[in-house]
Amino acid sequence: DTEVTQTPKHLVMGMTNKKSLKCEQHMGHRAMYWYKQKAKKPPELMFVYSYEKLSINESVPSRFSPECPNSSLLNLHLHALQPEDSALYLCASSQALLFGNSEAFFGQGTRLTVV
Amino acid sequence: SQELEQSPQSLIVQEGKNLTINCTSSKTLYGLYWYKQKYGEGLIFLMMLQKGGEEKSHEKITAKLDEKKQQSSLHITASQPSHAGIYLCGADGALLANAGGTSYGKLTFGQGTILTVHP
Repeated sequence: DTEVTQTPKHLVMGMTNKKSLKCEQHMGHRAMYWYKQKAKKPPELMFVYSYEKLSINESVPSRFSPECPNSSLLNLHLHALQPEDSALYLCASSQALLFGNSEAFFGQGTRLTVV
Repeated sequence: SQELEQSPQSLIVQEGKNLTINCTSSKTLYGLYWYKQKYGEGLIFLMMLQKGGEEKSHEKITAKLDEKKQQSSLHITASQPSHAGIYLCGADGALLANAGGTSYGKLTFGQGTILTVHP
């Protein structure tokens, strides 16, 4: 099983809403990642978790709040987003932090639209 | 500035033709990942190259890492419509010389190559 599952697939939210994106993997991976991808651009790293601890935060605005409740689950809590935050949000996992010796597996993404 | 540059940015070929996509690094490359993405979907892992001169193949796709040229190439033989999509090369800090320890774990990508295959 090399699957990373993201829910929901699509999400439309208002600027005053609070919503969460969910990511799950059952491969025993200990590193998990959130990426943001705008149209016609490559994915951009947002957060990295290693052994359920936040390892990297790429200066992401506080309206995005990640959470890793256990080794299989990664959430991204959204609050007071702006229309420019509309994008495809991708989750990924790898056996350990990517030190050049393991690959990352990606989920299918959540298409987020902020209205 | 972009650390990984892909060329061409887009490519349109007739089914059955061979094609090559290049990924050039501004730093010495110790390894590289190749991914494929269908529009609006997740990334599919194709292969990872871990040392200079390494060449890997999967079905009709072959990738090679030329460490001296700081470049990797992805070659598709006898292309099919199923090969269409966006091809992304990626590297994390451990694979880029002088990237610094704080870059480890940061998988970053080239801007992508859009491949269209006409039947």
